[in-house]
Amino acid sequence: SYELTQPPSVSVSPGQTARITCSGDALPKQYAYWYQQKPGQAPVLVIYKDSERPSGIPERFSGSSSGTTVTLTISGVQAEDEADYYCQSADSSGTPHVVFGGGTKLTVL
Amino acid sequence: QLQLQESGPGLVKPSETLSLTCTVSGGSISSSSYYWGWIRQPPGKGLEWIGSIYYSGSTYYNPSLKSRVTISVDTSKNQFSLKLSSVTAADTAVYYCARRGATVTTGYGMDVWGQGTTVTVSS
Repeated sequence: SYELTQPPSVSVSPGQTARITCSGDALPKQYAYWYQQKPGQAPVLVIYKDSERPSGIPERFSGSSSGTTVTLTISGVQAEDEADYYCQSADSSGTPHVVFGGGTKLTVL
Repeated sequence: QLQLQESGPGLVKPSETLSLTCTVSGGSISSSSYYWGWIRQPPGKGLEWIGSIYYSGSTYYNPSLKSRVTISVDTSKNQFSLKLSSVTAADTAVYYCARRGATVTTGYGMDVWGQGTTVTVSS
């Protein structure tokens, strides 16, 4: 089965830049999506189609893609950005099947 | 704005069938631009896609759950539903419903989520 691989944790100090990666063989052919989830809350879409930002999402959130890896970058990290982040894509067959990465816990030191 | 709300029993006995409904308000479930889906999250673990349905009734399921899952849609009530059969303790989770884009324009991400409902499998 198709998998997306994320690091379990990333730590940064306030004001620094956090980068969270997601790797998968189908990512060159399928867009990636990123979600932020805070404790006790539903996930929120923060990046779609690799690098687009939904309305209402701060500009410090950005996304990029290179080969089989996509990256969520949070510039000028704030304490409120501490959360779990999940990448999501589809398998390479083009069907509407959904795959999530295992999630990355972002800790703001 | 569009809102999704899950409803259903919070406690299900082992071997029985888990049934949840997601009510869509502030928009139509019959839009050709979106799928409607279910995602779950076991305690302390990550997100797991269960399946999705199109307003026409076309369904797509996680292969690991396919034998136990049925997702249906009722356009007259603006609702879609999940049935998961033969549940065990491993099915204990927060269950979310969500809207997922179905076109290149919308993208294929999940842009609107319900608040989630906790389902515990226990006798």
